[in-house]
Order: sequence, then structure tokens, then C-alpha cells
Amino acid sequence: AQSVTQLDSQVPVFEEAPVELRCNYSSSVSVYLFWYVQYPNQGLQLLLKYLSGSTLVKGINGFEAEFNKSQTSFHLRKPSVHISDTAEYFCAVKPGGYQKVTFGIGTKLQVIP
Amino acid sequence: DGGITQSPKYLFRKEGQNVTLSCEQNLNHDAMYWYRQDPGQGLRLIYYSQIVNDFQKGDIAEGYSVSREKKESFPLTVTSAQKNPTAFYLCASSTVGAGENSPLHFGNGTRLTVT
Repeated sequence: AQSVTQLDSQVPVFEEAPVELRCNYSSSVSVYLFWYVQYPNQGLQLLLKYLSGSTLVKGINGFEAEFNKSQTSFHLRKPSVHISDTAEYFCAVKPGGYQKVTFGIGTKLQVIP
Repeated sequence: DGGITQSPKYLFRKEGQNVTLSCEQNLNHDAMYWYRQDPGQGLRLIYYSQIVNDFQKGDIAEGYSVSREKKESFPLTVTSAQKNPTAFYLCASSTVGAGENSPLHFGNGTRLTVT
């Protein structure tokens, strides 16, 4: 079985400051990793995904994430946040060969003007 | 535009009544999923289906039932056996096989309130 740990439930950050949202996972097989964003009362949208290859993955809205196999982490970063980035962010893991996707509990990013 | 449609957006029911949530997709995806979202608990998998007429229990299937009679549709029934049904329900879909690493596409959710 796989699991996902998002270490921070809430992250306040000032506008134009950098941010890092942390995600660690565990799995007995190789995995695919995803970050999703959710705005209030909406579904989730894909930000970025790691499938294979380069460990630095770039996504939409200026976000990027780095896959670290030895530390089993997939932290999300943005060098300069905007008010519109205020949302909840979910890390997810999908083991290779399986369809079941497991999500973390989410991190609420609050951008302060 | 292709996508996933969940209806209705808000649903109110009395305790003891069964209720069915609709999920339709026109993405031609083989796999469909139902998740439940509660504050502070993230998304928890209720059921998923990889192919028509087949589905598997997720982590919290008790008190729920599903059917997959058509590729496009995956309705979820919340039965009276579900002890705490008030939640935000999300439907998702993805490709299978060659696209097994494809991400999930989500609908906009149905907020169910049971009183």
C-alpha cells in the first residue's frame, strides 16, 4: 500500500515571496507523482506530474516540483507567489501498474497582500 | 469541450433516505473514480472502475454503492447505511493501459448535506 504525507496543513506567505509545500510518500513499488490545486467549491486541477526522467518538473502557473527518490519526497515550489495562488494543494501518488490514486490531506496556501 | 459533469452541485436529503449522485464524462476515459472530501482529511477513495461492468472498493466503500453500465457514466448511491454522509463528493476519470500514468480529471463536485 502507498501513503502520502503533506507536512503542513496551512502555509501563510506574503505576496511575491517564495513558497515550498512539502510532500513525502511511501510505496513498495515505483510510483508516479502529481500535484493538484483546488479552488473553493471546485474540483481539482492538475498542476504538474512526475512520470520519469528529469527530477525537476515544471507545471502551470509558475510552479515546479523536485522528485527526490532517496528522500521519497516531491516538494512543490514557486519563486514568487501571487494572490491568485491562494488555494488548497494536494499531493498524490499512483503506483505503477495500478489505477488506485492516493492523496495527501492537502495544504492550504494563503497569500497575504 | 470534453470534461466531467457532476450533478447536482448541491443536494439536500433527510436522514434515512438513499440518494444518487450523477457523474458523466465525455473524455472517452476507461477508468472512473469517486472520492469523498472532508475538511482536514483530504480525498478518500470510495469506489473506482477500470472498465464497464466492473468496479472495486476503495478505502471507505461501506454505505455506498456504484454501477458502471456505460463507459460515460458512474453514478454513486449514498445509502442510509452510511453513518456520516454529509460531505463534498468528487468524481474523476483517467485513461488506462498505455496511459496508465495519466492524471485524474475531476468534475466540480457535489456537496451533499443530510439532516
